[in-house]
Amino acid sequence: QVQLQESGPGLVKPSQTLSLTCTVSGGSISSGGYYWSWIRQHPGKGLEWIGYIYYSGSTYYNPSLKSRVTISVDTSKNQFSLKLSSVTAADTAVYYCARRITIFGVVNWFDPWGQGTLVTVSS
Amino acid sequence: DIQLTQSPSFLSASVGDRVTITCRASQGISSYLAWYQQKPGKAPKLLIYAASTLQSGVPSRFSGSGSGTEFTLTISSLQPEDFATYYCQQLGSFGQGTKLEIK
Repeated sequence: QVQLQESGPGLVKPSQTLSLTCTVSGGSISSGGYYWSWIRQHPGKGLEWIGYIYYSGSTYYNPSLKSRVTISVDTSKNQFSLKLSSVTAADTAVYYCARRITIFGVVNWFDPWGQGTLVTVSS
Repeated sequence: DIQLTQSPSFLSASVGDRVTITCRASQGISSYLAWYQQKPGKAPKLLIYAASTLQSGVPSRFSGSGSGTEFTLTISSLQPEDFATYYCQQLGSFGQGTKLEIK
């Protein structure tokens, strides 16, 4: 069964770049039909989709974050990564990676999810 | 962008109760909706996809229905482990969540 695990610094300084990696185990990131996703949750708040990537490298980003987000994939390591530039305190959140399953391009859901990692932006 | 609005935002209920959570979409989305359960400190867990298909391993007391712009998640008989926050989702949009608390 596929499992996802986030890793990266838990503390980032303002104006710097947040970098996280998600390692996929139990399955290949190169399997078709899946989009590898990042989602975040501000403390005590709801869920915000950040973006996702296909194993080929095609990316789709939330328009509200697009100017600061880069998602990349390393199929040799079965990993995908998130970079969020010019962070502020407003980027403090729990960051989740998840597999997006899509059928016919419209029926879609996220499963499974990583356990999440808290990233705090503070000097 | 599609907006998803859940109601209620907070729900107080007792063990054994039947509860229903509604998710309304700002435009028609056919049956392309998923539901998640999130407990404190944990990642969301998929319950239902395609509006009414129960994810493997999810208890049958959970059910989903609806199409177009209005969807419901029903728990037929609340169990202690069901007290959590529930979210609906379509594409990159999530509802704001419904927190289900013990009365």
